[in-house]
Amino acid sequence: GAVVSQHPSRVICKSGTSVKIECRSLDFQATTMFWYRQFPKKSLMLMATSNEGSKATYEQGVEKDKFLINHASLTLSTLTVTSAHPEDSSFYICSATPLAGGRETQYFGPGTRLLVL
Amino acid sequence: KNQVEQSPQSLIILEGKNCTLQCNYTVSPFSNLRWYKQDTGRGPVSLTIMTFSENTKSNGRYTATLDADTKQSSLHITASQLSDSASYICVVSARGQAGTALIFGKGTTLSVSS
Repeated sequence: GAVVSQHPSRVICKSGTSVKIECRSLDFQATTMFWYRQFPKKSLMLMATSNEGSKATYEQGVEKDKFLINHASLTLSTLTVTSAHPEDSSFYICSATPLAGGRETQYFGPGTRLLVL
Repeated sequence: KNQVEQSPQSLIILEGKNCTLQCNYTVSPFSNLRWYKQDTGRGPVSLTIMTFSENTKSNGRYTATLDADTKQSSLHITASQLSDSASYICVVSARGQAGTALIFGKGTTLSVSS
Protein backbone atom coordinates (compact mmCIF):
# COMPACT_ATOMS: atom_id res chain seq x y z
CA GLY A 1 0.00 0.00 0.00
CA ALA A 2 0.83 3.72 0.07
CA VAL A 3 2.04 3.98 -3.50
CA VAL A 4 2.75 7.32 -5.11
CA SER A 5 3.32 7.62 -8.83
CA GLN A 6 4.72 10.41 -10.96
CA HIS A 7 4.32 11.06 -14.64
CA PRO A 8 6.35 11.46 -16.70
CA SER A 9 9.42 9.77 -15.26
CA ARG A 10 11.65 11.90 -17.43
CA VAL A 11 11.10 14.74 -19.84
CA ILE A 12 13.27 16.76 -22.18
CA CYS A 13 11.98 20.09 -23.36
CA LYS A 14 13.13 23.20 -25.12
CA SER A 15 13.86 26.39 -23.24
CA GLY A 16 10.77 28.58 -22.96
CA THR A 17 8.23 25.78 -22.98
CA SER A 18 6.10 24.66 -20.05
CA VAL A 19 6.19 21.21 -18.53
CA LYS A 20 3.55 19.57 -16.37
CA ILE A 21 4.39 16.85 -13.87
CA GLU A 22 1.68 14.75 -12.26
CA CYS A 23 1.77 13.20 -8.82
CA ARG A 24 -0.82 10.61 -7.89
CA SER A 25 -1.52 8.67 -4.72
CA LEU A 26 -2.67 5.34 -6.10
CA ASP A 27 -4.16 3.55 -3.12
CA PHE A 28 -4.89 6.27 -0.58
CA GLN A 29 -6.31 9.75 -0.36
CA ALA A 30 -3.96 12.58 0.39
CA THR A 31 -5.01 15.96 1.65
CA THR A 32 -1.47 17.18 1.44
CA MET A 33 1.18 16.66 -1.18
CA PHE A 34 4.68 18.05 -1.20
CA TRP A 35 6.94 18.96 -4.09
CA TYR A 36 10.70 18.67 -3.77
CA ARG A 37 13.61 19.44 -6.00
CA GLN A 38 16.89 17.59 -5.89
CA PHE A 39 20.13 18.52 -7.59
CA PRO A 40 22.86 15.92 -8.18
CA LYS A 41 24.49 14.76 -4.97
CA LYS A 42 22.34 17.17 -2.97
CA SER A 43 19.53 16.60 -0.54
CA LEU A 44 15.87 17.09 -1.28
CA MET A 45 14.72 20.67 -1.02
CA LEU A 46 11.08 21.37 -0.28
CA MET A 47 9.57 23.68 -2.87
CA ALA A 48 5.94 23.85 -1.85
CA THR A 49 3.16 22.23 0.11
CA SER A 50 0.01 21.49 -1.81
CA ASN A 51 -3.32 21.17 -0.05
CA GLU A 52 -6.39 19.83 -1.78
CA GLY A 53 -8.80 22.58 -2.68
CA SER A 54 -6.61 25.46 -1.61
CA LYS A 55 -3.60 27.42 -2.77
CA ALA A 56 -0.18 25.92 -2.37
CA THR A 57 2.27 27.23 0.19
CA TYR A 58 5.65 27.98 -1.30
CA GLU A 59 8.98 27.90 0.47
CA GLN A 60 11.08 31.01 0.58
CA GLY A 61 12.85 31.64 -2.68
CA VAL A 62 10.52 29.52 -4.80
CA GLU A 63 8.65 31.53 -7.42
CA LYS A 64 4.97 30.66 -7.35
CA ASP A 65 4.42 32.04 -10.85
CA LYS A 66 7.25 29.90 -12.13
CA PHE A 67 6.18 26.69 -10.46
CA LEU A 68 2.40 26.40 -10.68
CA ILE A 69 0.84 23.83 -8.39
CA ASN A 70 -2.68 22.51 -8.63
CA HIS A 71 -4.19 20.02 -6.19
CA ALA A 72 -7.58 19.41 -7.69
CA SER A 73 -8.42 16.13 -5.98
CA LEU A 74 -7.41 13.98 -3.04
CA THR A 75 -5.27 11.80 -5.30
CA LEU A 76 -3.72 14.21 -7.78
CA SER A 77 -1.40 17.18 -7.64
CA THR A 78 0.34 18.74 -10.61
CA LEU A 79 3.45 20.87 -10.86
CA THR A 80 3.85 22.99 -13.97
CA VAL A 81 7.23 24.49 -14.68
CA THR A 82 6.43 27.53 -16.78
CA SER A 83 8.80 29.00 -19.35
CA ALA A 84 11.42 26.46 -18.43
CA HIS A 85 15.08 27.39 -18.57
CA PRO A 86 18.18 25.16 -18.43
CA GLU A 87 18.68 26.03 -14.75
CA ASP A 88 15.31 24.40 -14.04
CA SER A 89 16.81 21.07 -15.03
CA SER A 90 16.59 18.93 -11.95
CA PHE A 91 15.00 15.90 -10.33
CA TYR A 92 11.52 16.70 -9.07
CA ILE A 93 10.01 14.47 -6.40
CA CYS A 94 6.55 14.60 -4.89
CA SER A 95 5.31 13.04 -1.70
CA ALA A 96 1.85 12.52 -0.29
CA THR A 97 0.46 12.37 3.21
CA PRO A 98 -2.53 10.10 3.92
CA LEU A 99 -5.68 11.69 5.30
CA ALA A 100 -4.96 10.38 8.78
CA GLY A 101 -1.29 11.27 8.79
CA GLY A 102 0.56 14.45 9.54
CA ARG A 103 3.38 16.04 7.60
CA GLU A 104 5.71 13.45 9.07
CA THR A 105 4.11 10.54 7.24
CA GLN A 106 5.14 11.12 3.66
CA TYR A 107 5.24 8.58 0.88
CA PHE A 108 7.51 9.60 -1.94
CA GLY A 109 6.99 9.23 -5.65
CA PRO A 110 9.70 7.86 -7.94
CA GLY A 111 10.65 11.30 -9.21
CA THR A 112 10.68 13.07 -12.57
CA ARG A 113 13.90 13.96 -14.30
CA LEU A 114 13.56 17.26 -16.18
CA LEU A 115 16.14 18.35 -18.72
CA VAL A 116 15.69 21.74 -20.34
CA LEU A 117 17.75 22.31 -23.46
CA LYS B 1 19.30 26.48 13.29
CA ASN B 2 17.90 23.02 12.60
CA GLN B 3 20.49 20.91 10.81
CA VAL B 4 21.14 17.29 9.94
CA GLU B 5 24.69 16.25 9.15
CA GLN B 6 25.55 12.88 7.67
CA SER B 7 28.85 11.11 7.37
CA PRO B 8 30.62 9.86 5.48
CA GLN B 9 29.57 11.62 2.30
CA SER B 10 30.33 8.48 0.32
CA LEU B 11 31.45 4.97 1.08
CA ILE B 12 32.66 2.01 -0.96
CA ILE B 13 32.56 -1.49 0.51
CA LEU B 14 32.86 -5.05 -0.72
CA GLU B 15 29.81 -7.24 -1.01
CA GLY B 16 29.16 -9.14 2.17
CA LYS B 17 30.80 -6.60 4.44
CA ASN B 18 29.04 -4.56 7.11
CA CYS B 19 28.98 -0.77 7.29
CA THR B 20 27.67 1.99 9.52
CA LEU B 21 26.40 5.37 8.44
CA GLN B 22 26.21 8.30 10.82
CA CYS B 23 23.68 11.08 11.33
CA ASN B 24 24.11 13.97 13.76
CA TYR B 25 21.35 16.47 14.21
CA THR B 26 20.59 19.73 15.93
CA VAL B 27 16.83 19.82 15.63
CA SER B 28 14.41 21.15 18.18
CA PRO B 29 11.81 20.25 19.18
CA PHE B 30 12.60 16.74 18.05
CA SER B 31 9.73 14.55 16.93
CA ASN B 32 11.21 11.56 15.13
CA LEU B 33 14.07 10.42 12.94
CA ARG B 34 13.79 8.40 9.75
CA TRP B 35 16.27 6.73 7.50
CA TYR B 36 15.46 6.54 3.81
CA LYS B 37 17.06 4.62 0.97
CA GLN B 38 17.11 6.38 -2.37
CA ASP B 39 18.15 4.45 -5.44
CA THR B 40 19.60 6.48 -8.29
CA GLY B 41 16.84 8.19 -10.22
CA ARG B 42 14.15 7.07 -7.78
CA GLY B 43 12.27 8.56 -4.86
CA PRO B 44 13.23 7.84 -1.24
CA VAL B 45 11.85 4.76 0.46
CA SER B 46 11.48 4.65 4.23
CA LEU B 47 13.65 2.13 6.07
CA THR B 48 13.11 2.95 9.73
CA ILE B 49 11.46 5.52 11.96
CA MET B 50 12.33 6.16 15.58
CA THR B 51 10.80 8.43 18.16
CA PHE B 52 12.49 9.99 21.16
CA SER B 53 12.03 6.95 23.38
CA GLU B 54 13.31 4.36 20.91
CA ASN B 55 16.97 3.37 20.88
CA THR B 56 17.02 0.88 18.05
CA LYS B 57 14.86 -0.26 15.17
CA SER B 58 15.54 -3.02 12.69
CA ASN B 59 14.29 -3.70 9.19
CA GLY B 60 15.87 -6.84 7.82
CA ARG B 61 19.58 -6.22 7.40
CA TYR B 62 19.17 -2.57 8.35
CA THR B 63 19.45 -1.56 12.00
CA ALA B 64 19.09 2.04 13.09
CA THR B 65 20.09 3.38 16.49
CA LEU B 66 19.19 6.64 18.16
CA ASP B 67 20.86 8.44 21.05
CA ALA B 68 18.58 11.35 21.86
CA ASP B 69 21.00 12.68 24.46
CA THR B 70 23.90 13.11 22.07
CA LYS B 71 21.54 13.68 19.10
CA GLN B 72 23.16 11.00 17.04
CA SER B 73 21.80 8.19 14.94
CA SER B 74 23.43 5.44 12.98
CA LEU B 75 22.30 3.04 10.29
CA HIS B 76 24.07 -0.31 10.28
CA ILE B 77 23.89 -2.50 7.20
CA THR B 78 24.76 -6.14 7.69
CA ALA B 79 26.08 -8.48 5.03
CA SER B 80 25.84 -5.89 2.30
CA GLN B 81 24.49 -6.76 -1.13
CA LEU B 82 24.99 -5.13 -4.49
CA SER B 83 21.41 -3.89 -4.32
CA ASP B 84 22.30 -1.86 -1.23
CA SER B 85 24.14 0.58 -3.46
CA ALA B 86 22.13 3.76 -3.03
CA SER B 87 21.97 7.05 -1.19
CA TYR B 88 20.88 6.84 2.45
CA ILE B 89 19.16 9.91 3.80
CA CYS B 90 18.58 10.80 7.42
CA VAL B 91 15.47 12.94 8.00
CA VAL B 92 14.55 14.51 11.31
CA SER B 93 11.09 15.86 12.09
CA ALA B 94 10.72 18.98 14.19
CA ARG B 95 7.29 19.62 15.55
CA GLY B 96 6.71 23.16 16.70
CA GLN B 97 3.93 25.68 17.05
CA ALA B 98 4.15 26.49 13.36
CA GLY B 99 3.64 22.87 12.45
CA THR B 100 5.96 20.03 11.51
CA ALA B 101 9.09 20.52 9.45
CA LEU B 102 11.25 17.82 7.91
CA ILE B 103 14.98 18.49 7.93
CA PHE B 104 16.86 16.40 5.38
CA GLY B 105 20.48 15.37 5.55
CA LYS B 106 22.52 15.43 2.36
CA GLY B 107 22.78 11.67 2.37
CA THR B 108 25.56 9.11 2.25
CA THR B 109 26.22 7.46 -1.09
CA LEU B 110 26.99 3.80 -0.60
CA SER B 111 28.58 1.72 -3.33
CA VAL B 112 28.77 -2.03 -2.85
CA SER B 113 31.15 -3.78 -5.19
CA SER B 114 31.68 -7.45 -5.92
